[in-house]
Amino acid sequence: KAGVTQTPRYLIKTRGQQVTLSCSPISGHRSVSWYQQTPGQGLQFLFEYFSETQRNKGNFPGRFSGRQFSNSRSEMNVSTLELGDSALYLCASNLKNQGGSYNEQFFGPGTRLTVL
Amino acid sequence: GNSVTQMEGPVTLSEEAFLTINCTYTATGYPSLFWYVQYPGEGLQLLLKATKADDKGSNKGFEATYRKETTSFHLEKGSVQVSDSAVYFCALNYSGATNKLIFGTGTLLAVQP
Repeated sequence: KAGVTQTPRYLIKTRGQQVTLSCSPISGHRSVSWYQQTPGQGLQFLFEYFSETQRNKGNFPGRFSGRQFSNSRSEMNVSTLELGDSALYLCASNLKNQGGSYNEQFFGPGTRLTVL
Repeated sequence: GNSVTQMEGPVTLSEEAFLTINCTYTATGYPSLFWYVQYPGEGLQLLLKATKADDKGSNKGFEATYRKETTSFHLEKGSVQVSDSAVYFCALNYSGATNKLIFGTGTLLAVQP
């Protein structure tokens, strides 16, 4: 079974630009979550989608947005990039439906974004 | 609020040494607790989990016990190997209504031959 796929793996942008990152979850998984990982702030939750609906959102400015498509693939977008947005962006997929016991999240390898 | 406090690193050990990485949490209700591992250049892998008090999670020689009375979930391994060198994250999920994980700051483990 293929794992979580994230594209691109590496990205270099300049301040003020915008960027779109893509995540393809494991086949059959309907929930996708995004995290930002930086040396200073560690791993921080960005947002979570289930069946094309945003279920939960972290404490990030409105420049960070996301969406999920009917095939469960997800994208996140960052507009007006700042130097501090340089980070590893991780996507995780999960089979879990709303409610019920917790199921394992499977993480992708991440997209390394560098903002110059 | 919900949070995870994790032992500062880096932790440097010789091969076959005993490993403990401390993790304590603050949460309302009864969270599920996890240890994730991140190898260089890779994403996170679930190492082990425990979903209720006194549960012991174990995998690949690693163990952690969910201690509600001390709000702790310390990671242990009896004999580490060079291949265990990685960053270890303690995390919690506080609600069945979300998959959101709250992570500790991570502990870098370096095992020397």
